[in-house]
Amino acid sequence: KNQVEQSPQSLIILEGKNCTLQCNYTVSPFSNLRWYKQDTGRGPVSLTIMTFSENTKSNGRYTATLDADTKQSSLHITASQLSDSASYICVVSSGGGADGLTFGKGTHLIIQP
Amino acid sequence: GAVVSQHPSRVICKSGTSVKIECRSLDFQATTMFWYRQFPKQSLMLMATSNEGSKATYEQGVEKDKFLINHASLTLSTLTVTSAHPEDSSFYICSANPIDRGTDTQYFGPGTRLTVL
Repeated sequence: KNQVEQSPQSLIILEGKNCTLQCNYTVSPFSNLRWYKQDTGRGPVSLTIMTFSENTKSNGRYTATLDADTKQSSLHITASQLSDSASYICVVSSGGGADGLTFGKGTHLIIQP
Repeated sequence: GAVVSQHPSRVICKSGTSVKIECRSLDFQATTMFWYRQFPKQSLMLMATSNEGSKATYEQGVEKDKFLINHASLTLSTLTVTSAHPEDSSFYICSANPIDRGTDTQYFGPGTRLTVL
């Protein structure tokens, strides 16, 4: 069964600090991995997408890494801001549409001033 | 670009009534739209795949007679929750697959919070 596990479940850090969120997956076949940011009461917004051959992708202060051999990904947030408070969801695609997507439960990140 | 809207953003209704939620792709055409349900602190769960001009495909365990989906145009899909009950209270999110992109490219709407009293 395809699964995506994210850790930690929740995280509280001070504004300005860095943090790293983890995503481990057992999805086969593998097409791509995406990180989404979901603000409370809003839909997910894509941050990064990585295919098998990519091992790092940046989007501003967000940097995602992918190790396809160990089936692990991380999302690193640099110099956190209050607006980074949200849930971060890891989604792995097997290709072929929405039924080929496996969603993680997300990491709930809180940035404190 | 690639904006998806949902209407209403939140709705409160009495048990037994029906509620319609609209999902629109504002600046692109989508042959396929998807409907998800998300409970608090849970991941998005795919309910159904909506294809323009044809019947929706429902995931296992989702009642097609309770969650009616209509995809009448390349920019609009609707989800109607019929005879809603308190257990249907949830956050409903749609996404759309642009007609000119790969099948796993989705843009999500902002979601609709449904509360059934």
